[in-house]
Amino acid sequence: SYVLTQPPPVAVAPGQTARITCGGDDIGSKRVHWYQQKPGQAPVVVVYDDSGRPSGIPERFSGSNSGNTATLTISRVESGDEADYYCQVWDSTSDHVVFGGGTKLTVL
Amino acid sequence: QPQLQESGPGLVKPSETLSLTCSVSGGSITRTSYYWGWIRQPPGKGLEWIGAIYYSGSTYSNPSLKSRVTLSIDPSKNQFSLKLYSVTATDTAVYYCARRETSRTSWYDPWGQGTLVTVSS
Repeated sequence: SYVLTQPPPVAVAPGQTARITCGGDDIGSKRVHWYQQKPGQAPVVVVYDDSGRPSGIPERFSGSNSGNTATLTISRVESGDEADYYCQVWDSTSDHVVFGGGTKLTVL
Repeated sequence: QPQLQESGPGLVKPSETLSLTCSVSGGSITRTSYYWGWIRQPPGKGLEWIGAIYYSGSTYSNPSLKSRVTLSIDPSKNQFSLKLYSVTATDTAVYYCARRETSRTSWYDPWGQGTLVTVSS
Protein backbone atom coordinates (compact mmCIF):
# COMPACT_ATOMS: atom_id res chain seq x y z
CA SER A 1 0.00 0.00 0.00
CA TYR A 2 1.01 3.62 -0.46
CA VAL A 3 3.25 5.06 2.25
CA LEU A 4 3.73 8.69 3.26
CA THR A 5 6.90 9.47 5.18
CA GLN A 6 7.19 12.49 7.47
CA PRO A 7 10.37 13.59 9.28
CA PRO A 8 11.12 13.50 12.99
CA PRO A 9 10.19 16.48 15.17
CA VAL A 10 11.06 19.94 13.89
CA ALA A 11 12.05 22.82 16.16
CA VAL A 12 12.25 26.46 15.09
CA ALA A 13 12.56 29.80 16.83
CA PRO A 14 9.72 32.31 16.69
CA GLY A 15 9.82 34.39 13.55
CA GLN A 16 11.74 31.78 11.58
CA THR A 17 10.42 29.53 8.82
CA ALA A 18 9.41 25.90 9.41
CA ARG A 19 9.35 23.40 6.56
CA ILE A 20 7.72 20.01 7.05
CA THR A 21 8.06 17.44 4.32
CA CYS A 22 5.92 14.50 3.25
CA GLY A 23 7.57 11.90 1.05
CA GLY A 24 5.83 9.41 -1.20
CA ASP A 25 6.33 7.67 -4.53
CA ASP A 26 5.41 10.19 -7.24
CA ILE A 27 3.45 12.20 -4.68
CA GLY A 28 3.62 15.11 -7.10
CA SER A 29 0.88 13.40 -9.11
CA LYS A 30 -1.45 13.37 -6.13
CA ARG A 31 -3.36 16.07 -4.27
CA VAL A 32 -1.86 16.57 -0.82
CA HIS A 33 -3.67 17.98 2.19
CA TRP A 34 -2.13 19.13 5.46
CA TYR A 35 -3.72 19.07 8.90
CA GLN A 36 -2.71 20.79 12.12
CA GLN A 37 -3.53 19.02 15.38
CA LYS A 38 -3.02 20.69 18.73
CA PRO A 39 -3.04 18.61 21.95
CA GLY A 40 -6.48 17.34 22.86
CA GLN A 41 -8.08 18.76 19.70
CA ALA A 42 -9.28 17.38 16.41
CA PRO A 43 -7.20 17.96 13.28
CA VAL A 44 -7.87 21.08 11.23
CA VAL A 45 -6.97 21.40 7.55
CA VAL A 46 -4.45 24.19 6.96
CA VAL A 47 -3.56 23.46 3.31
CA TYR A 48 -5.63 21.55 0.75
CA ASP A 49 -4.94 20.43 -2.80
CA ASP A 50 -1.18 20.97 -2.44
CA SER A 51 -1.30 24.74 -1.94
CA GLY A 52 -4.85 25.92 -1.24
CA ARG A 53 -5.52 27.73 1.99
CA PRO A 54 -8.92 27.48 3.72
CA SER A 55 -10.58 30.66 4.88
CA GLY A 56 -9.36 31.64 8.33
CA ILE A 57 -5.93 30.07 7.88
CA PRO A 58 -3.14 32.69 7.97
CA GLU A 59 -1.20 33.42 4.78
CA ARG A 60 1.88 32.26 6.68
CA PHE A 61 0.82 28.68 5.85
CA SER A 62 1.67 27.53 2.33
CA GLY A 63 2.27 24.28 0.50
CA SER A 64 4.03 22.85 -2.52
CA ASN A 65 4.22 19.46 -4.15
CA SER A 66 6.56 18.05 -6.77
CA GLY A 67 8.27 14.80 -7.57
CA ASN A 68 8.45 12.60 -4.50
CA THR A 69 8.07 15.34 -1.87
CA ALA A 70 5.33 17.65 -0.68
CA THR A 71 6.20 20.48 1.67
CA LEU A 72 4.26 22.52 4.20
CA THR A 73 5.91 25.85 4.88
CA ILE A 74 5.05 28.00 7.88
CA SER A 75 6.55 31.47 7.69
CA ARG A 76 7.14 33.76 10.65
CA VAL A 77 6.41 30.95 13.08
CA GLU A 78 4.46 31.82 16.22
CA SER A 79 4.09 29.95 19.49
CA GLY A 80 0.49 29.12 18.55
CA ASP A 81 1.75 27.09 15.58
CA GLU A 82 3.16 24.46 17.92
CA ALA A 83 1.31 21.28 16.97
CA ASP A 84 1.47 17.97 15.14
CA TYR A 85 1.15 18.24 11.37
CA TYR A 86 -0.13 15.42 9.14
CA CYS A 87 -0.14 15.08 5.38
CA GLN A 88 -2.89 13.12 3.61
CA VAL A 89 -3.52 11.81 0.11
CA TRP A 90 -5.88 9.45 -1.62
CA ASP A 91 -4.26 6.33 -3.02
CA SER A 92 -6.04 5.44 -6.24
CA THR A 93 -4.48 1.97 -6.42
CA SER A 94 -6.03 0.77 -3.17
CA ASP A 95 -8.87 3.31 -3.21
CA HIS A 96 -8.28 4.53 0.29
CA VAL A 97 -7.11 7.54 2.24
CA VAL A 98 -3.54 7.56 3.55
CA PHE A 99 -2.09 9.75 6.30
CA GLY A 100 1.55 10.44 6.98
CA GLY A 101 2.90 9.55 10.41
CA GLY A 102 2.87 13.16 11.55
CA THR A 103 5.56 15.67 12.47
CA LYS A 104 5.67 17.52 15.76
CA LEU A 105 6.57 21.20 15.41
CA THR A 106 8.09 22.79 18.50
CA VAL A 107 8.52 26.55 18.74
CA LEU A 108 11.61 27.28 20.79
CA GLN B 1 -20.02 24.60 8.34
CA PRO B 2 -21.99 21.82 9.97
CA GLN B 3 -21.07 20.52 13.39
CA LEU B 4 -20.30 16.84 13.97
CA GLN B 5 -20.51 15.04 17.29
CA GLU B 6 -19.48 11.46 18.05
CA SER B 7 -21.25 9.39 20.67
CA GLY B 8 -21.06 5.85 22.01
CA PRO B 9 -19.61 3.71 24.78
CA GLY B 10 -16.19 4.69 26.02
CA LEU B 11 -15.33 1.16 27.08
CA VAL B 12 -15.70 -2.02 25.04
CA LYS B 13 -14.65 -5.54 26.00
CA PRO B 14 -12.25 -7.52 23.83
CA SER B 15 -13.94 -9.59 21.10
CA GLU B 16 -17.09 -7.44 21.30
CA THR B 17 -18.39 -4.81 18.88
CA LEU B 18 -17.52 -1.12 19.00
CA SER B 19 -20.49 1.03 17.97
CA LEU B 20 -20.31 4.77 17.41
CA THR B 21 -22.70 7.33 15.99
CA CYS B 22 -21.93 10.71 14.49
CA SER B 23 -24.69 13.33 14.72
CA VAL B 24 -24.60 16.14 12.19
CA SER B 25 -26.16 19.52 12.90
CA GLY B 26 -26.33 22.65 10.79
CA GLY B 27 -26.51 20.82 7.49
CA SER B 28 -28.26 17.88 5.88
CA ILE B 29 -26.44 14.59 5.67
CA THR B 30 -28.27 13.92 2.40
CA ARG B 31 -26.54 16.69 0.49
CA THR B 32 -25.16 15.08 -2.63
CA SER B 33 -21.86 16.92 -2.37
CA TYR B 34 -20.40 15.03 0.56
CA TYR B 35 -19.12 11.77 1.96
CA TRP B 36 -19.07 11.16 5.71
CA GLY B 37 -16.06 9.46 7.19
CA TRP B 38 -14.40 7.93 10.23
CA ILE B 39 -10.77 8.36 11.27
CA ARG B 40 -9.11 7.05 14.42
CA GLN B 41 -6.00 7.86 16.42
CA PRO B 42 -4.48 5.49 18.99
CA PRO B 43 -3.14 7.28 22.06
CA GLY B 44 0.12 9.04 21.23
CA LYS B 45 0.07 7.84 17.61
CA GLY B 46 -0.93 9.06 14.17
CA LEU B 47 -4.18 9.16 12.22
CA GLU B 48 -5.69 6.11 10.53
CA TRP B 49 -8.54 6.34 8.03
CA ILE B 50 -11.33 3.83 8.66
CA GLY B 51 -13.84 4.48 5.89
CA ALA B 52 -16.54 6.72 4.46
CA ILE B 53 -20.20 6.54 3.46
CA TYR B 54 -22.41 8.46 1.03
CA TYR B 55 -26.02 9.37 1.76
CA SER B 56 -27.10 6.66 -0.67
CA GLY B 57 -25.37 4.05 1.48
CA SER B 58 -22.37 3.59 -0.80
CA THR B 59 -19.27 2.89 1.28
CA TYR B 60 -15.57 2.29 0.99
CA SER B 61 -13.11 1.48 3.73
CA ASN B 62 -9.53 0.81 4.70
CA PRO B 63 -8.52 -2.61 3.36
CA SER B 64 -6.81 -3.40 6.66
CA LEU B 65 -10.09 -3.01 8.54
CA LYS B 66 -12.65 -3.77 5.87
CA SER B 67 -13.53 -7.25 7.10
CA ARG B 68 -14.43 -5.90 10.56
CA VAL B 69 -16.14 -2.64 9.64
CA THR B 70 -19.74 -1.78 8.84
CA LEU B 71 -20.77 1.78 7.99
CA SER B 72 -24.38 2.89 7.91
CA ILE B 73 -26.34 6.10 7.52
CA ASP B 74 -29.71 7.26 8.88
CA PRO B 75 -30.92 10.34 6.96
CA SER B 76 -34.04 10.60 9.10
CA LYS B 77 -31.85 11.29 12.14
CA ASN B 78 -29.08 13.09 10.25
CA GLN B 79 -26.63 10.54 11.63
CA PHE B 80 -24.15 8.00 10.39
CA SER B 81 -22.60 5.12 12.28
CA LEU B 82 -19.60 2.86 12.62
CA LYS B 83 -19.48 -0.72 13.83
CA LEU B 84 -16.12 -2.40 14.37
CA TYR B 85 -16.33 -6.11 15.18
CA SER B 86 -14.11 -8.40 17.22
CA VAL B 87 -12.14 -5.58 18.81
CA THR B 88 -8.80 -5.99 20.56
CA ALA B 89 -6.65 -3.65 22.63
CA THR B 90 -5.10 -2.32 19.42
CA ASP B 91 -8.47 -0.78 18.55
CA THR B 92 -8.19 1.55 21.54
CA ALA B 93 -8.19 5.04 20.04
CA VAL B 94 -9.87 8.39 19.73
CA TYR B 95 -12.45 8.00 16.98
CA TYR B 96 -13.31 11.02 14.85
CA CYS B 97 -16.09 11.55 12.36
CA ALA B 98 -15.59 14.07 9.58
CA ARG B 99 -17.03 15.33 6.30
CA ARG B 100 -15.42 15.17 2.89
CA GLU B 101 -16.48 16.43 -0.53
CA THR B 102 -17.56 13.81 -3.02
CA SER B 103 -14.25 13.65 -4.85
CA ARG B 104 -12.06 10.81 -3.58
CA THR B 105 -9.08 13.17 -3.63
CA SER B 106 -10.68 15.68 -1.28
CA TRP B 107 -9.82 16.55 2.31
CA TYR B 108 -11.75 16.11 5.56
CA ASP B 109 -13.36 19.21 7.01
CA PRO B 110 -14.90 19.72 9.49
CA TRP B 111 -14.16 17.07 12.12
CA GLY B 112 -15.99 16.12 15.27
CA GLN B 113 -14.23 16.60 18.59
CA GLY B 114 -13.48 12.89 18.84
CA THR B 115 -14.40 10.25 21.38
CA LEU B 116 -12.01 7.93 23.20
CA VAL B 117 -12.87 4.26 23.07
CA THR B 118 -10.90 1.92 25.27
CA VAL B 119 -10.90 -1.82 24.66
CA SER B 120 -10.39 -3.61 27.94
CA SER B 121 -11.94 -6.32 30.04
